[in-house]
Amino acid sequence: DIQMTQSPSSLSASVGDRVTITCQASQDITNYLAWYQQRPGKAPKLLIYDDSVLQTGVPSRFSGRGSGTHFTFTISSLQPEDIATYYCQQYDYLPLTFGGGTRVEVK
Amino acid sequence: EVQLAESGGGLVQPGGSLRLSCAASGFTFRTSWMSWVRQTPGKGLEWVANIKEDGSEKNYVDSVKGRFTIGRDNAKNSVYLQMNSLRAEDTAVYYCARDCASGWWFCNWGQGTLVTVSS
Repeated sequence: DIQMTQSPSSLSASVGDRVTITCQASQDITNYLAWYQQRPGKAPKLLIYDDSVLQTGVPSRFSGRGSGTHFTFTISSLQPEDIATYYCQQYDYLPLTFGGGTRVEVK
Repeated sequence: EVQLAESGGGLVQPGGSLRLSCAASGFTFRTSWMSWVRQTPGKGLEWVANIKEDGSEKNYVDSVKGRFTIGRDNAKNSVYLQMNSLRAEDTAVYYCARDCASGWWFCNWGQGTLVTVSS
């Protein structure tokens, strides 16, 4: 199985800060990577797919880049409504696997 | 608007069975792969199973193979998860998810249904 390692597991930042999360795959997944946001008590929501393609309606402050085994997710200017846990997911191989999540808090 | 509504969760004893259902609306169900994804309390996400548009292909995570069966009824716009021989480690919120066109990432999610396996 492909292991997806996210870091950090949690972070605290101020409104307006740039926030970056990394996701490392245990083997090459090309660009078959998605990012999700899960607010407390809610279902996950798709933000980005194919490593860097923004889902329709998602604010442009969210972005993703990378390829192969190393990927990054960035919030260019953190907003209060971005308080959530963020997950990466690879879909190159079965079983589909997720990273362990990064909890983002606002200072 | 896409809507996915899960039902069927509850408390079940170890070794017992449960059948989850997911009613879909707002998109052409018969042209979408569908998945079940679970989340253990306070922990992360685990993909459980998916099924092709016409039901001809099904995939499972190893931990549920032989115990869980995914199915669908395109006439009823519904997908199901039959769970047998349940274990304590199957306790989780189970989400129904729509696989995005041409790929196995998840465009839409239901609100989830809680399954608790305990004596």
